[in-house]
Amino acid sequence: QKEVEQNSGPLSVPEGAIASLNCTYSDRGSQSFFWYRQYSGKSPELIMSIYSNGDKEDGRFTAQLNKASQYVSLLIRDSQPSDSATYLCAVNNNFNKFYFGSGTKLNVKP
Amino acid sequence: DAGVIQSPRHEVTEMGQEVTLRCKPISGHNSLFWYRQTMMRGLELLIYFNNNVPIDDSGMPEDRFSAKMPNASFSTLKIQPSEPRDSAVYFCASSLRGISGNTIYFGEGSWLTVV
Repeated sequence: QKEVEQNSGPLSVPEGAIASLNCTYSDRGSQSFFWYRQYSGKSPELIMSIYSNGDKEDGRFTAQLNKASQYVSLLIRDSQPSDSATYLCAVNNNFNKFYFGSGTKLNVKP
Repeated sequence: DAGVIQSPRHEVTEMGQEVTLRCKPISGHNSLFWYRQTMMRGLELLIYFNNNVPIDDSGMPEDRFSAKMPNASFSTLKIQPSEPRDSAVYFCASSLRGISGNTIYFGEGSWLTVV
């Protein structure tokens, strides 16, 4: 079993819609959770981090964490074509080891 | 502020040659990570250091790979001898491990092609 699982997609949404990206993780001792965005040919860049159960909002982005279900999600409201990228979920355990999912490719159609 | 700096950005080398990738982490960060990314395997953690000490190298694929961090501002990843299957993007990343949490920041990557 992989440490972090994501649906590879592609996930296609129309411009202006809500995009929902999901991730599950296997280590119950995981402490920190992150969403990264990676454009083709570029390095991953941090979008959001979340450390406690519940929702965390930052502009058009909302991260949701449910430790009991070992589930992390990212909602993107009012999706824009510029949001088209691969979204990587990352989990950090007690030993500072960061595991990344394989990423979900998002296509936002104009 | 300067981010994570990697060199070279692109390298094309012949099979059997030695490859050295270099990384300068963000100043003040105490953890450094080397990742490899391919289409097939995604982003794989090769090795990481805390306070210049290698903590976990279980992701290093073979003895052909080695990594060092002689000081807090410099790390190298060496492949000797290189093989075509080593072709990938190699990312260096750093973080500040602290009580308030941590975030990992990536360099722009070194694109390696072994022919």
